[in-house]
Amino acid sequence: DIQMTQSPSTLSASVGDRVTITCRASQSISTWLAWYQQKPGKAPKLLIYKASSLESGVPSRFSGSGSGTEFTLTISSLQPDDFATYYCQQYNSYSWTFGQGTKVEIK
Amino acid sequence: EVQLVESGGGLVQPGGSLRLSCAASGFTFSTYIMHWVRQAPGKGLEYVSVITGTGGNTYYANSVKGRFTISRDNSKNTLYLQMGNLRAEDMAVYYCARARVPGIHDAFDIWGQGTMVAVSS
Repeated sequence: DIQMTQSPSTLSASVGDRVTITCRASQSISTWLAWYQQKPGKAPKLLIYKASSLESGVPSRFSGSGSGTEFTLTISSLQPDDFATYYCQQYNSYSWTFGQGTKVEIK
Repeated sequence: EVQLVESGGGLVQPGGSLRLSCAASGFTFSTYIMHWVRQAPGKGLEYVSVITGTGGNTYYANSVKGRFTISRDNSKNTLYLQMGNLRAEDMAVYYCARARVPGIHDAFDIWGQGTMVAVSS
């Protein structure tokens, strides 16, 4: 199975900060990577698919990059609504795995 | 409106069974690959199972293989997860989710609100 490792596990930041979350795959997954945002008690929300494609309706301050085994999610200017937990997910071939999550907290 | 609504969760004893349902609306259900994902209390997301649009192909995480069965009834626009021999570690919120593009293994763009399964004697 492909393992996904996110870093950091927790991130403390202020409104307006530029935030970067990293996700590493245990083997190459090309660009078959998605990013989700989840708030307490709610279902996850798709932000980015195919590593860098922005889902419809998602603010442009979110961006994704990477290929192979190294990926990043960047929030260019953190907004109050962005404090949440973020998960990467690989969907390479007939296989799906989530990272362990990164909680973005208010500094 | 495109929507997924789960039901069927509840409290079950260890070793017991439960069937979850996921009612879809607002899209052509039969053309989409569908998934189940779960989240134990205070933990991260864990992948559970997938089924293709026709129901002809399925896949299970090792943690549930042999105990859970995914199925769908396209005439009723409903996805199911039959869970058997339940263990304490199966306690979680169970989400159904849709792959983004019809017929393609893709990211999950639509999620249900989740249904809670508790396993306890």
